[in-house]
Amino acid sequence: DTEVTQTPKHLVMGMTNKKSLKCEQHMGHRAMYWYKQKAKKPPELMFVYSYEKLSINESVPSRFSPECPNSSLLNLHLHALQPEDSALYLCASSPLMNRESYEQYFGPGTRLTVT
Amino acid sequence: GQNIDQPTEMTATEGAIVQINCTYQTSGFNGLFWYQQHAGEAPTFLSYNVLDGLEEKGRFSSFLSRSKGYSYLLLKELQMKDSASYLCAVRDNTDKLIFGTGTRLQVFP
Repeated sequence: DTEVTQTPKHLVMGMTNKKSLKCEQHMGHRAMYWYKQKAKKPPELMFVYSYEKLSINESVPSRFSPECPNSSLLNLHLHALQPEDSALYLCASSPLMNRESYEQYFGPGTRLTVT
Repeated sequence: GQNIDQPTEMTATEGAIVQINCTYQTSGFNGLFWYQQHAGEAPTFLSYNVLDGLEEKGRFSSFLSRSKGYSYLLLKELQMKDSASYLCAVRDNTDKLIFGTGTRLQVFP
């Protein structure tokens, strides 16, 4: 199984809603990532978890709250989002976050629209 | 600061060869990756270079010159399905992956 899965595929939410994005991998990878990608732009790193601990937070607003319940799962909790947060949210995983040639495997993404 | 430059768009003909260039200035260097991304889909890994030289993988090859801060992705025998965005990404000295703006390649029959 070389797949990263994400649910839901599409999400429309209001600015007062609370929702969660989910990501799962069963490749035994110990590093997991959240990226945000706006149309025609490259992915921007948001968070990195290494061995289920948050290792990088790229100064992301607190309305985005990541959670890593176990080594296979990564969640992104959303609350009080703004319309400009509408984007494709990509999850990725890699065997380790180190300097070896470990590429990141990306999930299909969740297309989020904030109304 | 971090800066990775690629051409915004390129066009080519089916069966031809195309070279997509990438120049970078980053806080350290721990490898360069090329990803392919079709519209609305996730990026998929194409190649990795950490030492100078050419890495060949089927129709795709990637070259790196660390002294020049330069890489290219070479696509041979282009097919229509190669129409996609191609992202150059550098792993910096904090092990983060920094993506370039991507090159949108259109292949015409």
